[in-house]
Amino acid sequence: DAKTTQPPSMDCAEGRAANLPCNHSTISGNEYVYWYRQIHSQGPQYIIHGLKNNETNEMASLIITEDRKSSTLILPHATLRDTAVYYCIVRVEGGTSYGKLTFGQGTILTVHP
Amino acid sequence: ETGVTQSPTHLIKTRGQQVTLRCSSQSGHNTVSWYQQALGQGPQFIFQYYREEENGRGNFPPRFSGLQFPNYSSELNVNALELDDSALYLCASSLGTHLNTEAFFGQGTRLTVV
Repeated sequence: DAKTTQPPSMDCAEGRAANLPCNHSTISGNEYVYWYRQIHSQGPQYIIHGLKNNETNEMASLIITEDRKSSTLILPHATLRDTAVYYCIVRVEGGTSYGKLTFGQGTILTVHP
Repeated sequence: ETGVTQSPTHLIKTRGQQVTLRCSSQSGHNTVSWYQQALGQGPQFIFQYYREEENGRGNFPPRFSGLQFPNYSSELNVNALELDDSALYLCASSLGTHLNTEAFFGQGTRLTVV
């Protein structure tokens, strides 16, 4: 599985954009980048995923560099409820991976008033 | 609300006992995966079931086993419980195993082994 590297923690002021980086320099051409978040004591929540184009949905935007070796998750107007652990995952299919999600340690995002 | 429900929410067992955890998938989803999340760690993949067959397994011993039923609900069974099995157990359902699909997680079952 391609490994991902994320900063262990980040802070953001409420109402400002939160930009969460992720490095996945060993990503293969057919691997998607997924973002999930986990609010305390809850199951992980899907946010967004992409292959090589930038993606946007009602929750966030995903910016993937042209070489696909890194990406940034953008929460455009962070709220206190966005405080959570954010996981960047490169999803592998085939062999013994069967589409499993390989979670790392993630980034703890704290949104301050 | 993901439509994935797990039961029970909390459970305390004694070392050496056996436990069964249950998961009801989101309607229409034919794939379920189970994850173990130790305190302060990210979830770790245990195994995945697709149409009632196990089709992928993580680095967990055989005493972790599962079932998926025709209605796509699922069970995780753990035999000979050890103290290190104390964790949050999560199930996730999805439609198919291919890329470009989302997995929806339940709230988890908190298992404590004493």
